[in-house]
Amino acid sequence: AQSVTQPDARVTVSEGASLQLRCKYSYSATPYLFWYVQYPRQGLQLLLKYYSGDPVVQGVNSFEAEFSKSNSSFHLQKASVHWSDSAVYFCALSMRAGGYKVVFGSGTRLLVSP
Amino acid sequence: NSKVIQTPRYLVKGQGQKAKMRCIPEKGHPVVFWYQQNKNNEFKFLINFQNQEVLQQIDMTEKRFSAECPSNSPCSLEIQSSEAGDSALYLCASSRGMEVFFGKGTRLTVV
Repeated sequence: AQSVTQPDARVTVSEGASLQLRCKYSYSATPYLFWYVQYPRQGLQLLLKYYSGDPVVQGVNSFEAEFSKSNSSFHLQKASVHWSDSAVYFCALSMRAGGYKVVFGSGTRLLVSP
Repeated sequence: NSKVIQTPRYLVKGQGQKAKMRCIPEKGHPVVFWYQQNKNNEFKFLINFQNQEVLQQIDMTEKRFSAECPSNSPCSLEIQSSEAGDSALYLCASSRGMEVFFGKGTRLTVV
């Protein structure tokens, strides 16, 4: 069965530091992978997506993610975080079956400290 | 930026009352999803439609929940008799292909 695992429930980093949020997936077919961000009392905003090709994908606000088929991973990275990046980040997988239904990870709450 | 519009943003209902929320998907997106996000940030898929027809739905949706996505009208999700456990953020999303766009959600509080 398909699943997405985000092993870190909370991550705290200092402003200006680099960031990596981890994501591992389980899916037998070709994965379509996404990272979404959710700010307080808001819906989900798409940060970036991976379908195929270059395993490093660029997203909004200088986020990028690297797909690894051998590790079944899709980690999110940012070179220098800003306090406004504090939010909950969700890794997700989309399946062709059922009209591209999305399966979400449990989320990682990022706190950027001054 | 997503153009999925959900109304109302907040909804407060008493136990046993009906709760109805609406969603206007992005223009040209044939597939519409409803998800429930609880306070622990867990997402539960409820139902999805393709061109007004139900693609998949979970058992919970079949009992107290009803949803429709008529042509030329907003999609809707209705809980016939609200329970405390229904308190959550209800997210509507639409897609055309692999990319799924979400609205801001309707936060339902059942008191």
